[in-house]
Amino acid sequence: ETGVTQSPTHLIKTRGQQVTLRCSSQSGHNTVSWYQQALGQGPQFIFQYYREEENGRGNFPPRFSGLQFPNYSSELNVNALELDDSALYLCASRTAGTTKEQFFGPGTRLTVL
Amino acid sequence: DQQVKQNSPSLSVQEGRISILNCDYTNSMFDYFLWYKKYPAEGPTFLISISSIKDKNEDGRFTVFLNKSAKHLSLHIVPSQPGDSAVYFCAASEYYSGGGADGLTFGKGTHLIIQP
Repeated sequence: ETGVTQSPTHLIKTRGQQVTLRCSSQSGHNTVSWYQQALGQGPQFIFQYYREEENGRGNFPPRFSGLQFPNYSSELNVNALELDDSALYLCASRTAGTTKEQFFGPGTRLTVL
Repeated sequence: DQQVKQNSPSLSVQEGRISILNCDYTNSMFDYFLWYKKYPAEGPTFLISISSIKDKNEDGRFTVFLNKSAKHLSLHIVPSQPGDSAVYFCAASEYYSGGGADGLTFGKGTHLIIQP
């Protein structure tokens, strides 16, 4: 069973640029969530995708957007990057149902200069 | 306003003894609670969870206790082992009657250090 994978591992961008991060769900999982983890903080929920549609969002502006594909892989897009967007971005997947355990990938470390 | 609080940034425990990590929450709509363990340069790893209809869940060396009236949960690790040294996050999920997203709300984490 393949776990959650994310790419790239590290990324450096400059303020104002756009970035796309990618995630492959764990086999059999149909729900994907994205989280932002700033230094010294816990992960913060950005949004969740189920059946290729966003079905919930945390307190993040519209310049954070995403996609989920038919194979349940997902992208996180961030436009007009700001210095505060520097963080570890985590993708988590699960199977929609009675349990709520989410399984995380290793994350993408984004640095905005 | 932090809805999930882990008030101890770090905790040092001797190998073989019990580690107790604490977590408090404020949102009464939380109905499911999870503990994750995180090593540097890795994503969080799921450890154990508990539904709000229970007050205890056990899995090997790990036991989670939930006190709903106090809005408090704790993770007990017995016996503590060197490999348990990591950052532990408490997380909570809110009940949505119409389905929809169930993003997790995390605390800031507690760094557990197991001393040999």
